[in-house]
Amino acid sequence: DQQVKQNSPSLSVQEGRISILNCDYTNSMFDYFLWYKKYPAEGPTFLISISSIKDKNEDGRFTVFLNKSAKHLSLHIVPSQPGDSAVYFCAASEKSSGDKLTFGTGTRLAVRP
Amino acid sequence: DTAVSQTPKYLVTQMGNDKSIKCEQNLGHDTMYWYKQDSKKFLKIMFSYNNKELIINETVPNRFSPKSPDKAHLNLHINSLELGDSAVYFCASSPSVRGTEAFFGQGTRLTVV
Repeated sequence: DQQVKQNSPSLSVQEGRISILNCDYTNSMFDYFLWYKKYPAEGPTFLISISSIKDKNEDGRFTVFLNKSAKHLSLHIVPSQPGDSAVYFCAASEKSSGDKLTFGTGTRLAVRP
Repeated sequence: DTAVSQTPKYLVTQMGNDKSIKCEQNLGHDTMYWYKQDSKKFLKIMFSYNNKELIINETVPNRFSPKSPDKAHLNLHINSLELGDSAVYFCASSPSVRGTEAFFGQGTRLTVV
């Protein structure tokens, strides 16, 4: 029973172009969503988050969009840089279950120079 | 200056052994967690502690016992190790019970042979 899904295991984009990573969820009780970035042999690093009361949050080159009716969120990176190459995890939490993070399986992003 | 540190980074041991993984955070956070990333790359929460008190226990086998001597430390002890315990274990901490924006350690790769 996977409540957070990232259906694209990998994505390759050209440097300078936009990267769009997608995430779907099934639990309508989720009210906070996060994106984490992970390099090999390191722990996940927090990137950006969004509350369910918003539909967009922007931080520099990173923007997260939330479509609650579709239970879908996406992370946009523009312009993409080679240093962005990593695995990106979508995560969600709900207050009623102790606010634990439920993670997707990750999308490996490769930014080509 | 590492925020969340785990030791050891790699651990190879035989079935049936008992082992511990240590975790320390110097961020002053109240809440600490253990996550497990299995061979399919699923990152799932195991436990969370808030101020040394167990908050979340995600139906993890009794062979796994977290110990929090103070709010800066959360160690994971595993008894009678099994082959299926092989995974990467991540410690994390966050400034609130909510579990948002957790900071992760580098991970401990446990291999049971």
